[in-house]
Amino acid sequence: EDQVTQSPEALRLQEGESSSLNCSYTVSGLRGLFWYRQDPGKGPEFLFTLYSAGEEKEKERLKATLTKKESFLHITAPKPEDSATYLCAVPTGTASKLTFGTGTRLQVTL
Amino acid sequence: EPEVTQTPSHQVTQMGQEVILRCVPISNHLYFYWYRQILGQKVEFLVSFYNNEISEKSEIFDDQFSVERPDGSNFTLKIRSTKLEDSAMYFCASSDLGFNGYTFGSGTRLTVV
Repeated sequence: EDQVTQSPEALRLQEGESSSLNCSYTVSGLRGLFWYRQDPGKGPEFLFTLYSAGEEKEKERLKATLTKKESFLHITAPKPEDSATYLCAVPTGTASKLTFGTGTRLQVTL
Repeated sequence: EPEVTQTPSHQVTQMGQEVILRCVPISNHLYFYWYRQILGQKVEFLVSFYNNEISEKSEIFDDQFSVERPDGSNFTLKIRSTKLEDSAMYFCASSDLGFNGYTFGSGTRLTVV
């Protein structure tokens, strides 16, 4: 069965304290891995898509990497505005549906 | 930047009533989706729609649910007889071929009382 697992469930960082979020997946025939940011009461906001092992993508303080079994979202010198839930998702099934992990709730304090 | 627009942002309805949630996907996208997120839980797939028909649906998407693209721009989700457990955030999404530009709307919070 296709599965997406994210860890940790919650992470509290001080401003400037770098860390990484993990997304491990079990899916037959990876067709991409998506990272989204979700603020409370809002829809998922697209961050990155990774398609093959070894691929990396960066946006401001965020960098996403992909291996054959997991992806990491590295956050360098985070700021309070980076506080959000970060979601990982992979395409599964016969059509273009995404299966999501439960997310990592990140809180960055001053 | 193109966006997916959902209306209303919040809807309260009585149990047993019908509701229609509306979405305007990104104009040149070909695939349309509905997802839901119960408070504190993960985002769950409901249905995908392509070429004017359902291409895939989840176990959640039973006979009480239906989708429609009534014209060239709107995409709707209808729940025929709402239950308390239908209370959730409902997200519409759209994408181009190969998952390009897979974009979510800001959601409709449905509260069934």
